[in-house]
Amino acid sequence: GQQVMQIPQYQHVQEGEDFTTYCNSSTTLSNIQWYKQRPGGHPVFLIQLVKSGEVKKQKRLTFQFGEAKKNSSLHITATQTTDVGTYFCAGPGGTSYGKLTFGQGTILTVHP
Amino acid sequence: EAGVAQSPRYKIIEKRQSVAFWCNPISGHATLYWYQQILGQGPKLLIQFQNNGVVDDSQLPKDRFSAERLKGVDSTLKIQPAKLEDSAVYLCASSLGGVWGAGRLQETQYFGPGTRLLVL
Repeated sequence: GQQVMQIPQYQHVQEGEDFTTYCNSSTTLSNIQWYKQRPGGHPVFLIQLVKSGEVKKQKRLTFQFGEAKKNSSLHITATQTTDVGTYFCAGPGGTSYGKLTFGQGTILTVHP
Repeated sequence: EAGVAQSPRYKIIEKRQSVAFWCNPISGHATLYWYQQILGQGPKLLIQFQNNGVVDDSQLPKDRFSAERLKGVDSTLKIQPAKLEDSAVYLCASSLGGVWGAGRLQETQYFGPGTRLLVL
């Protein structure tokens, strides 16, 4: 079945530094979603990318979808302590409508 | 708008015991999902309902796990008997539900707070 791989697994940064997590798929994705999960919390939807080469921004967060639609990235500029959490990418999980396959996530720690 | 509700929030049981989790999705959401999230991993889909019908249960360990959504609204997930490796957070999510088609946006899934299960 489809797999979505994320790197790195962990990232420790000082507050103010930038952060990037990468998501790679073995197959072409029709779309990709990004979720954030705070420590002890549940995944919360951030954004969806659909078009090849698409770039979307949400304040300090920049999301990219690769030209081949097999990879994606999330970049955070000037991290803040509120950015702490696990960031997951998720791609369509198959023919079942709505099914998602999640990556293993990148755990971000921000040191003040 | 009320979010996805789950109960209980925490549960500790001994192996071989039974346990049940409850989920009430966002009002009007036709699709309901149960995920298992083991510590340090991403959520893994166990079962997906569209109204009261099962759409996908390919990753549900059917020898011990069962789920139902009889009236197409709330849902229960049961484990019987539990094993040590079932210790995880069980997340329920819901989405509007609609027609699948090429190029359509994947629906946003709204997650509940989860039930943290510890099997001793």
